[in-house]
Amino acid sequence: SQQGEEDPQALSIQEGENATMNCSYKTSINNLQWYRQNSGRGLVHLILIRSNEREKHSGRLRVTLDTSKKSSSLLITASRAADTASYFCATGGGATNKLIFGTGTLLAVQP
Amino acid sequence: GAGVSQSPSNKVTEKGKDVELRCDPISGHTALYWYRQSLGQGLEFLIYFQGNSAPDKSGLPSDRFSAERTGGSVSTLTIQRTQQEDSAVYLCASSLYVTEKETQYFGPGTRLLVL
Repeated sequence: SQQGEEDPQALSIQEGENATMNCSYKTSINNLQWYRQNSGRGLVHLILIRSNEREKHSGRLRVTLDTSKKSSSLLITASRAADTASYFCATGGGATNKLIFGTGTLLAVQP
Repeated sequence: GAGVSQSPSNKVTEKGKDVELRCDPISGHTALYWYRQSLGQGLEFLIYFQGNSAPDKSGLPSDRFSAERTGGSVSTLTIQRTQQEDSAVYLCASSLYVTEKETQYFGPGTRLLVL
């Protein structure tokens, strides 16, 4: 399978705690993107990190990228119940930038 | 501005029937992608359009699947002689260009159920 792997598969935390999700991939990439999905429908784009970047921040989100290890992590700080969702990493590569998705992490934030 | 829209939201069909799924990308976006999300396969790429041409169809699972894009805008994904394994959420995405910094914006998806 070309899919990337994400761990953990599921994560349950309390409101206010930090959540860390990891992603590993197999191919060379142009960029790596993180998406959130609620209720199995549309994907909401969270953050994009380019292959020549190592770290990026957006609000409560922090993403790191290690191309030598073909891995990335997403940190959500001070989590809220509204952060409950599935989170997917996706690598964009090649001339078309088509996305190869990870298996996803189901995050549950308990109020 | 308006995001990516897809129709119908849900489609129930009988095995063997043909279905058409529509995608309206964000205005001005040159690149359009179709993906599929199913329980067994996760999220997988189907086809990519640049303008009206499809230089990458490598993800289409069989020759029952086809897609077209007209006017550099609307795209239609057609599944002929549907099978139960075609049941999935079909997602469309668009991006302004195809560079290493381009975000793909997704529509809400069409949930297809083949009985």
